Order: sequence, then structure tokens, then C-alpha cells
Amino acid sequence: GAGVSQSPSNKVTEKGKDVELRCDPISGHTALYWYRQSLGQGLEFLIYFQGNSAPDKSGLPSDRFSAERTGGSVSTLTIQRTQQEDSAVYLCASSFPGLALDTQYFGPGTRLTVL
Amino acid sequence: AQSVTQLDSQVPVFEEAPVELRCNYSSSVSVYLFWYVQYPNQGLQLLLKYLSGSTLVKGINGFEAEFNKSQTSFHLRKPSVHISDTAEYFCAVTLHSGGYQKVTFGIGTKLQVIP
Repeated sequence: GAGVSQSPSNKVTEKGKDVELRCDPISGHTALYWYRQSLGQGLEFLIYFQGNSAPDKSGLPSDRFSAERTGGSVSTLTIQRTQQEDSAVYLCASSFPGLALDTQYFGPGTRLTVL
Repeated sequence: AQSVTQLDSQVPVFEEAPVELRCNYSSSVSVYLFWYVQYPNQGLQLLLKYLSGSTLVKGINGFEAEFNKSQTSFHLRKPSVHISDTAEYFCAVTLHSGGYQKVTFGIGTKLQVIP
């Protein structure tokens, strides 16, 4: 596809369960970003990938959160032992080559609801 | 560290009226400035960005923004809004330095166009 895709679009889970969120960036985009969008909080940076490496993980809120990227393409954000405060929309974006002046292209997001 | 303030969380405006969405930033170094728009149930997309040069930047859908360094502002304007402009608008900054693009977003302004 031409744009960034994310799956699933919606995820409802029970507190304590693990979830995996997937992001397919635009082909050829080396930079990939994860953000969290909570009600009234704006967009919160989580992690940045350049290729398969993550030079900046400073936004991950706790050690329950992890992310990986394989083949310089698909990325998975994993949340272990989910809590109700993890409920949010998780957005993925990609860009090339990842410089400060680049435009980021966003996916539609995954809405996570933790019951 | 940089920060972004969007003073208005919601802005109602009648169709065909002008609108201004305010954005102020704080940074000790030079920044790049962006406005992104998020239509209902969609990801963010770039409206416009200021990198350098002319302080008046024109974007898509008739929007424009003016960079004012002395007031550290980057307000978004449109002379005549349409119903289709109803969306959430995010102001964002990145630092010139640091190599990669770590974006700081404002909390967003919801524009509600009233018929």
C-alpha cells in the first residue's frame, strides 16, 4: 500500500493480558516512530527506530513496554501485563531519512481499550 | 528541551468565517515548526511546515501560518472555513540539532465548523 498501515484498528483486552500492535511503514522509509495519544494529553513520543535500531527509547513509560523492528520494515509494539492507564490510541509514523525537517507520515492508529 | 503550547482546546467557528488557531513554542535553539491535521478516525497528515526563509508558509486546503520568532509563535489561519475543515489540529516542533527528528506536539485544538 501507499501509506502507513497499523493493525489491529481496535483492540479490547483485559487488565493483565499482553498485547501486540503492528505497524507497516511506507516502503523505503528508514525512520519509524511510535506515539501514544491519550485523551487530553496530545501525542506522546514513545520510541524511534532508524533501520532496526532504536537510538531513542526514552518515551517508553515503563518496562512493560517494548518494541522491535525487523528487516528495516515492520515494527511491533508490545505491552505486557496491560493496565487501564494504557488505554489510548497508539500511532505509528514513518519518514525518510529521518532528519529533523522531514515530514512524518502517520498511520490511522490502533485504539487500545483495557478493561 | 522544547515545548509547544496550544492555548485553545476547542474553537467553534461558523462556516465561511475566518479562523486562527494559536501555537506558541519554547526552545533555546532553532526549531522547525509543523502543523498537522487529524480528521475523525484518521491518522495525522501534514498541513504545512516552516523550515527557513519566508515567515509566511502556505499549506494545503487554503491554510497558512506565520512564524514569529520574537513572539515564539506559529499561528495557523484560514480566511474562510468549510464544514470539511472540522478536525483536530496539532502544532509541533523539532530541533535543528540532534540529527534525527524528535517531535514535540501540542495537545491539539479541535476546530468545529458550524453550518
